[in-house]
Order: sequence, then C-alpha cells, then structure tokens
Amino acid sequence: DSGVTQTPKHLITATGQRVTLRCSPRSGDLSVYWYQQSLDQGLQFLIQYYNGEERAKGNILERFSAQQFPDLHSELNLSSLELGDSALYFCASSLSGNYGYTFGSGTRLTVV
Amino acid sequence: AQSVTQLDSQVPVFEEAPVELRCNYSSSVSVYLFWYVQYPNQGLQLLLKYLSGSTLVESINGFEAEFNKSQTSFHLRKPSVHISDTAEYFCAVLYALNFGKGTSLLVTP
Repeated sequence: DSGVTQTPKHLITATGQRVTLRCSPRSGDLSVYWYQQSLDQGLQFLIQYYNGEERAKGNILERFSAQQFPDLHSELNLSSLELGDSALYFCASSLSGNYGYTFGSGTRLTVV
Repeated sequence: AQSVTQLDSQVPVFEEAPVELRCNYSSSVSVYLFWYVQYPNQGLQLLLKYLSGSTLVESINGFEAEFNKSQTSFHLRKPSVHISDTAEYFCAVLYALNFGKGTSLLVTP
C-alpha cells in the first residue's frame, strides 16, 4: 500500500457519460498529480494541484476538469466521454518533488 | 526546460544476463533524476533517485544508476536480472511533470 488511495479501481461507462475519479493523497503530501496512461500515448501528465490550487496543467482536454478540496483529496471529472478516453488514470502525491512522487494503483476506465 | 529521453522502447533479455536501460536528460538547471518501475497491473513505484552527492545510486533490489553530467545520462543497470524484473521502467527529471515514454523490460528463461 503506497498510501495514495484511488477509487474506484475499475469503471465501465458509455460514451457521452460523465464520471468522477477520486484520489486521497498520502498523509502529509500537499501536491496531487493526475496522469493518463494508454497504450498509444504512454504516461501523460494532466494536471497538478498544490494545497487546493491549480499549479500546473498538461495535456488535459477541456472535457476534463479537476479540483483539490480542503482536506487535500482530489477529484478528476471526465465528461462527454469518448471511446478514446479509455485508459488507466493515475493519481500521485508528493510533499516536495525532491523526493519523487508516490503513485496510487490507478483507476481503469473503459468507455463502451 | 527539463525533459528526458528513453532511448529504447523494449529491451528483451535472458534471465541472469546483465541489462542497461538508457535515459538521457536535458536541463538548464541542477537536476534531480528518478527511475520508476511499473509492474503489470500496478501503479508506478519509485525505484531510485539521484539528488546530489555520489553519482552512483542503488536500489534495494539490485538495480543501480549512474548520473553522468558530461553525457547528460542516467542509465539504469542490473548485473543479473530475474524473471520478476519484467516491468515497465520510467525515467523522470525533477519538475519535469512528463515522464519518459518508458522502457519495457522483458526477462525470459
């Protein structure tokens, strides 16, 4: 157990639908990062939050949004889902990037 | 800007053979470098890191990496691999939120 908790582990939904992925960071970590991993695109950085505020943005689609709450957990919202959104979505957390990131076990999203 | 390049997408190797997974970085500032491992159906785990000091860093399972400033490299090596080392390996540089594309290590008997 890495200390980063992601729920749900698996999610199957239809095209056009909206889903929310949840992440609880490791105790004491202030930063949360979201990544998408697919076979063709590899590991893609989506967005980072630090203590409730957006810190950096990567290749995140406009249909996707995220937020970090006062208790530091984070949610990634994916809407108007397409088949191509099927992927593994990872959350990572860190206190300081000097020590690297701690990853959760991911949420596998399947859009049918 | 900081970035890493993993030169090999796949590395097949026989059990007990040595292996080297290559990583080159580009950075205009001091670098902190990391290797992560992803076993099948799992998240990424930190394998080892270079922050400062000795340029040779080791992991608990026999991997080592050497920071080479002149060649801007941080290659990962293991003198004798096991079947259980089969995994995806990612190189990363501090503040480079994008990881390398990964190297798939496949160890066969």
